Amino acid sequence: DTGVSQNPRHKITKRGQNVTFRCDPISEHNRLYWYRQTLGQGPEFLTYFQNEAQLEKSRLLSDRFSAERPKGSFSTLEIQRTEQGDSAMYLCASTDPKDYGYTFGSGTRLTVV
Amino acid sequence: KQEVTQIPAALSVPEGENLVLNCSFTDSAIYNLQWFRQDPGKGLTSLLLIQSSQREQTSGRLNASLDKSSGRSTLYIAASQPGDSATYLCAVRTGANNLFFGTGTRLTVIP
Repeated sequence: DTGVSQNPRHKITKRGQNVTFRCDPISEHNRLYWYRQTLGQGPEFLTYFQNEAQLEKSRLLSDRFSAERPKGSFSTLEIQRTEQGDSAMYLCASTDPKDYGYTFGSGTRLTVV
Repeated sequence: KQEVTQIPAALSVPEGENLVLNCSFTDSAIYNLQWFRQDPGKGLTSLLLIQSSQREQTSGRLNASLDKSSGRSTLYIAASQPGDSATYLCAVRTGANNLFFGTGTRLTVIP
């Protein structure tokens, strides 16, 4: 296992379009997290899953955002009707159940034009 | 709500110098604290994880300390190298889902 994998690395989309990102966590990590990071800021929590259950969503996650983890393995984050304010780096992380250390992926950089 | 502050926001040092990055947090009821490195436009790389019961962790030229009662952590980098240039982020975990980040310290090591 080579770590947390995110695809695509970059996405440029027109305002109003829908986009979907994928995250493949480390296989033995049962918790998966999505964060958003804007320029010059630290990452901010969006949502997390324990296995297939989505246990919490941040107020940052508007109703245009939806995340799934159907089989408790990979996860997808969809943004509908994208807005310019959605432009950010979207980071996925999973945690080691032994020590709860976070491992982050390389992120998906979204640019809405 | 947990607030994490990192000082300084930016730091520039000549190669070979030892340096200290500071992190403070407002709520001492934490599970652990983690230091990350982020290169421009990239994801986060974990450097050190300190559990709440621990006082420090070391990895190579890096040493992180934790004083939970005072809400402080430091990251010490010995004999800095140009390859250490990056943004360093401190994050504290306060629950199952809550990892709070500081805004980072941007380090530049001048050859």
